[in-house]
Amino acid sequence: DTGVSQDPRHKITKRGQNVTFRCDPISEHNRLYWYRQTLGQGPEFLTYFQNEAQLEKSRLLSDRFSAERPKGSFSTLEIQRTEQGDSAMYLCASSFRDRKEKLFFGSGTQLSVL
Amino acid sequence: KQEVTQIPAALSVPEGENLVLNCSFTDSAIYNLQWFRQDPGKGLTSLLLIQSSQREQTSGRLNASLDKSSGRSTLYIAASQPGDSATYLCAVRPEYNFNKFYFGSGTKLNVKP
Repeated sequence: DTGVSQDPRHKITKRGQNVTFRCDPISEHNRLYWYRQTLGQGPEFLTYFQNEAQLEKSRLLSDRFSAERPKGSFSTLEIQRTEQGDSAMYLCASSFRDRKEKLFFGSGTQLSVL
Repeated sequence: KQEVTQIPAALSVPEGENLVLNCSFTDSAIYNLQWFRQDPGKGLTSLLLIQSSQREQTSGRLNASLDKSSGRSTLYIAASQPGDSATYLCAVRPEYNFNKFYFGSGTKLNVKP
C-alpha cells in the first residue's frame, strides 16, 4: 500500500493557460474522488469515479473542467482557460468498496493562477 | 443538503491538556463519519471512521464519538502534544448519496509547549 499519489505538488500558471493534474489511487481501490479546497475551508466535492465510469459531477465543475479515469486506474483532472478563481488545493481520494468505505487522500496539488 | 459545522474554528491549549473538538451535521441520515487531520499545505490523513451503527471509535490518544440522532460527533484528544498541532476536519457520508462526503471547515489546533 503506497498511498494515493498526486502530481505535481505545486503548479503556477498564468490566467488562460490549461493545466492537468494526475492522481494515482491505492491500487486495489475502485472508487476515486476529486475534491477542491480553498484556504480556511473544508474540501468540496468535484467528481467521482467507480472504476472507469464517471458517475457524478458537482455543479462546481464548470465546462472548463474535465476528468478522466481511463482503464479504471490513474485519473487526470484538466482545467482549461484557467481563471484566478481556480486557485486552490486539488485533492484526490480513493476508497475500496467494502462495508467501511474509508477515504484515503493524496497530498494534493496546489494551483496558483496568476 | 447536508451541512457540517465545526466549533471552535481555532483552539490553543498548553501541552498536556485533554481537549474536545466538535462536529455537528444537519441531516442525521448518514452512513458514516470520518475524522481527518491536515497539516499546513498537505493532504488529509484519516484518523478515525465511525459507522452510523457505532457510538465510538478509539485509536491511541484519540476517541471519537457519534450521536447520530442529535447530529453530533466529538473528537477527544488526551494528553495533547505539540505534534498534535494541525487542522482537524470531520466529514459525513450521507445515506442518500453514497458518492459524497460533506466536510466541515475544520478546527485549527495549536498545542503550546
